[in-house]
Amino acid sequence: EVQLVQSGAEVKKPGESLRISCQGSGYSFTRYWIAWVRQMPGKGPEWMGIIYPGDSDTKYSPSFRGQVTISADKSINTAYLQWSSLKASDTAMYYCARHKIEGMQRLCNGADCYDNYWYFDLWGRGTLVTVSS
Amino acid sequence: DIVMTQSPDSLAVSLGERATINCKSSQSVLYSSSNKNYLAWYQQKPGQPPKLLIYWASIRESGVPDRFSGSGSGTDFTLTISSLQAEDVAVYYCQQYYSIPPYTFGQGTNLEI
Repeated sequence: EVQLVQSGAEVKKPGESLRISCQGSGYSFTRYWIAWVRQMPGKGPEWMGIIYPGDSDTKYSPSFRGQVTISADKSINTAYLQWSSLKASDTAMYYCARHKIEGMQRLCNGADCYDNYWYFDLWGRGTLVTVSS
Repeated sequence: DIVMTQSPDSLAVSLGERATINCKSSQSVLYSSSNKNYLAWYQQKPGQPPKLLIYWASIRESGVPDRFSGSGSGTDFTLTISSLQAEDVAVYYCQQYYSIPPYTFGQGTNLEI
């Protein structure tokens, strides 16, 4: 079965560190970008960043760059999302999700070209992170 | 970032009736070279992750009932459920995946019976 299995819920205090995980199975984990997506209560999902497990190439949303670290261990088909110092405002559900495309697509508008990763076709069940003193 | 705005925020529809959800992007998500709209729709039921329903604005994901359809181009898109079933109660999100990331979602539409 093709799936992403996430680690369990966490309750932490402000200032603590945390790493949550997302293990893929049933497909070639190294060939698809894995994203981390935040969903705060009652809000829409937010794309945080992605990693290509094949070479650990990583890209971040400007809103999350410097706030979290995304990494992967391709030997165990696992991606990670890490905080060094949690804040109460980090309380949310965090999903990992797979971008559909193997590799990436290059889009060009005139001379301006950039990489595209398509939509999400597979989601983990989420890890609830609660940060409270 | 491209801003995605859905309407309405919530919607109540009788069983068997049609439900229509709109999504507007702050700039076009149509890639002219391929004539594809980089727009997806997801369904999220309580306690579950989002589930892909529609991609390229109008292509149904495998296994999605054919009562779900997507339409639109450029900046204006619609998700239609032709005959609402009880299991369709959920929050629906549109997402653009055209821009340089981050790929942005709408605020969601809460669909009720």
